[in-house]
Amino acid sequence: DQQVKQNSPSLSVQEGRISILNCDYTNSMFDYFLWYKKYPAEGPTFLISISSIKDKNEDGRFTVFLNKSAKHLSLHIVPSQPGDSAVYFCAASKGSGNTGKLIFGQGTTLQVKP
Amino acid sequence: GAGVSQSPSNKVTEKGKDVELRCDPISGHTALYWYRQSLGQGLEFLIYFQGNSAPDKSGLPSDRFSAERTGGSVSTLTIQRTQQEDSAVYLCASSLTAGPYTEAFFGQGTRLTVV
Repeated sequence: DQQVKQNSPSLSVQEGRISILNCDYTNSMFDYFLWYKKYPAEGPTFLISISSIKDKNEDGRFTVFLNKSAKHLSLHIVPSQPGDSAVYFCAASKGSGNTGKLIFGQGTTLQVKP
Repeated sequence: GAGVSQSPSNKVTEKGKDVELRCDPISGHTALYWYRQSLGQGLEFLIYFQGNSAPDKSGLPSDRFSAERTGGSVSTLTIQRTQQEDSAVYLCASSLTAGPYTEAFFGQGTRLTVV
């Protein structure tokens, strides 16, 4: 039962353009969502998060959008840079009730071409 | 320490042997997670410790897997009678969890290879 899904295993964009990574979830109890970035041979690093009370959160070049009715979130990176090339994981948790377990998607490999 | 520390970084073991993987979380973090990433796969949840509560073991794939967290700090993941399908990168993470809406910080992982 894959509760968090990233249906695109890979994405390639040109430097300077926008990268859009998508994530879908099935559990309506999820109310906190995060994006992580992972380079080879390193652990994932936190990128940005959003609570279900919001529909947008922005941090520099990174913006996360949440569409609760569609159970869909996306990460926008603009402008994309070659250093953004990595695997991106979305994650979700049921924050209420203090069950902070994170459920991850399968990841999307982003390649930003110079 | 400054971050989550895992040891060893790499482990090669023979099929059927037991292995222990260690995780030192960030000081003061009450929540600790174990995940694994098999080749070409996503992050698979294994077990979650939160303070003094009973751990959430719902992700452990079989009874060969167990984990403990001593004194609310260091955690050890033990895999008994290892099988080739156990080969993966095992990742540990910790979070402050003063409330539930906090991000988890990951270690670099232990790459386990069962031959």
